[in-house]
Amino acid sequence: GESVGLHLPTLSVQEGDNSIINCAYSNSASDYFIWYKQESGKGPQFIIDIRSNMDKRQGQRVTVLLNKTVKHLSLQIAATQPGDSAVYFCAEKSGYSSASKIIFGSGTRLSIRP
Amino acid sequence: EPEVTQTPSHQVTQMGQEVILRCVPISNHLYFYWYRQILGQKVEFLVSFYNNEISEKSEIFDDQFSVERPDGSNFTLKIRSTKLEDSAMYFCASSRRLDNEQFFGPGTRLTVL
Repeated sequence: GESVGLHLPTLSVQEGDNSIINCAYSNSASDYFIWYKQESGKGPQFIIDIRSNMDKRQGQRVTVLLNKTVKHLSLQIAATQPGDSAVYFCAEKSGYSSASKIIFGSGTRLSIRP
Repeated sequence: EPEVTQTPSHQVTQMGQEVILRCVPISNHLYFYWYRQILGQKVEFLVSFYNNEISEKSEIFDDQFSVERPDGSNFTLKIRSTKLEDSAMYFCASSRRLDNEQFFGPGTRLTVL
């Protein structure tokens, strides 16, 4: 069935440290994964995506890792800053070029300790 | 930078009333979406729209819901007879192509009393 879930609802990180947010998915047919950031009072904001034919993708200060064997996805944020405080959602699409709906996970709230 | 806009930011209505939530997608985008997020829960897909028709909808999107692109810029979500459980944040999104990133608006908070 369709299910994208997160291991932890909250994560507290020291400013400057790296953050790792994990996500599990259950649909083997999922072939496209996206991480979104949602700040308070705003809509989800695209951070980075990865297709199932890749196992790693890097952006600016962010890296997404995909392990299809165990159906696990992670988002790594390097040198976490106060502006990184938000709820992070993993999401997936089945059928990268043909499906329209994005299925969101439950979200992890990242808070930064000064 | 172009962005998706939504109005109103907050809508309060009585149960049983009709509401129309409005969105202006990014101008050169062709695919339009509505999602909702009940407080504290995950974002849920409602419907996608392309070429003036619904291309996909979820089981949440029942006969009480409808979408329309009344002109070249607006995209609306109508709830015919609101229920208490329709209270949520409603997000509009748009994308240039089906396999492109979906850009989300800031949302409309709907409160049904």
